[in-house]
Amino acid sequence: KAGVTQTPRYLIKTRGQQVTLSCSPISGHRSVSWYQQTPGQGLQFLFEYFSETQRNKGNFPGRFSGRQFSNSRSEMNVSTLELGDSALYLCASSLGLDWYEQYFGPGTRLTVT
Amino acid sequence: GNSVTQMEGPVTLSEEAFLTINCTYTATGYPSLFWYVQYPGEGLQLLLKATKADDKGSNKGFEATYRKETTSFHLEKGSVQVSDSAVYFCALSDYNAGGTSYGKLTFGQGTILTVHP
Repeated sequence: KAGVTQTPRYLIKTRGQQVTLSCSPISGHRSVSWYQQTPGQGLQFLFEYFSETQRNKGNFPGRFSGRQFSNSRSEMNVSTLELGDSALYLCASSLGLDWYEQYFGPGTRLTVT
Repeated sequence: GNSVTQMEGPVTLSEEAFLTINCTYTATGYPSLFWYVQYPGEGLQLLLKATKADDKGSNKGFEATYRKETTSFHLEKGSVQVSDSAVYFCALSDYNAGGTSYGKLTFGQGTILTVHP
């Protein structure tokens, strides 16, 4: 069974621009969660989607948004990029039931200059 | 709110040494507990899990026991290899707490492990 895939793997953007990251979950998984990983803050939860509905959201500004499609693929968007948005963005998929065994993709490394 | 605290790193060991990485947690409900491992340039891989008190998770020679009385989930391995060098994360999921816990893993800060030949 194919794992979680994320595209692109690397991105370089300029302050003020916007960016869209994509995540394809494991087949059959209906839940996709997004995390931001930085050296200073560690792994922080952004949001989770289940069957096209956002069920949970972390403490990030409204510039961070996401969506999920009917095939469970998910995208996250960051508008008006800031230097502090430079990070590794990880998505994880799970069945969305019970105790949440999540499987992670390789991440998208975003650099904002 | 929920939180996870891992022992300070980095940890440096010689091959075949015994490994312990401490993890303690705070949760409002009855969380499930996980250890994830991250190799350089990669995402996180699930190493092992435990979903209720006294459960022991194990995989690839690593073990951790869910201790509710001490709110701990320490990771151990009897004999480490150079290939075990990575960053290890302890995490919890408090699904039964409802809304604000859906899809959310709370992670510790990570422990860097380096194993020398």
